[in-house]
Amino acid sequence: SQTIHQWPATLVQPVGSPLSLECTVEGTSNPNLYWYRQAAGRGLQLLFYSVGIGQISSEVPQNLSASRPQDRQFILSSKKLLLSDSGFYLCAWSPSPGQGADTQYFGPGTRLTVL
Amino acid sequence: GQNIDQPTEMTATEGAIVQINCTYQTSGFNGLFWYQQHAGEAPTFLSYNVLDGLEEKGRFSSFLSRSKGYSYLLLKELQMKDSASYLCAVRDNYGQNFVFGPGTRLSVLP
Repeated sequence: SQTIHQWPATLVQPVGSPLSLECTVEGTSNPNLYWYRQAAGRGLQLLFYSVGIGQISSEVPQNLSASRPQDRQFILSSKKLLLSDSGFYLCAWSPSPGQGADTQYFGPGTRLTVL
Repeated sequence: GQNIDQPTEMTATEGAIVQINCTYQTSGFNGLFWYQQHAGEAPTFLSYNVLDGLEEKGRFSSFLSRSKGYSYLLLKELQMKDSASYLCAVRDNYGQNFVFGPGTRLSVLP
């Protein structure tokens, strides 16, 4: 069966510090991978998605970046955090078209607080 | 552009039936999804519609009308544990991008 991991679960960082959040998927190959952010009481905002190694699509211009160094690894980074970067960060995966069930599966999330 | 609308909050009584509506205007369409999200947790998949009509899964059902850009999630025999946010999402034509609505926070009262 497939599983998705995210770490850390919670993070408190000062403004201007760097960020690295990691997401890994097990039990599948060539998944589509996604990073979302959810501000308190708000909906999911798609930040990045990837259909393959080294292929990243950015949905919202900001001070965040994403990388996919391996097939089942997705990393969200920032060089300098802003207060507005606080939120609940969710990684998700879905099978590539034609590969299986039609939905997204979410990781447990990382709650980031920028002070 | 992409736009998905849902009511912000709803309240219902334990044992009752509630219908959560979702309207969408997207540049492409390849399926509509409903997710449940409890406070502080990740969303979990509930249902999926790609053709018009009703899909039933136990106490939960979801309906889709593509011509009207409309869907609803129907929850029957409400339980206290159904108190959560319910997210409507549309997948684009290429199957790579999911656009989420703002979510509907449902409170089930005794």
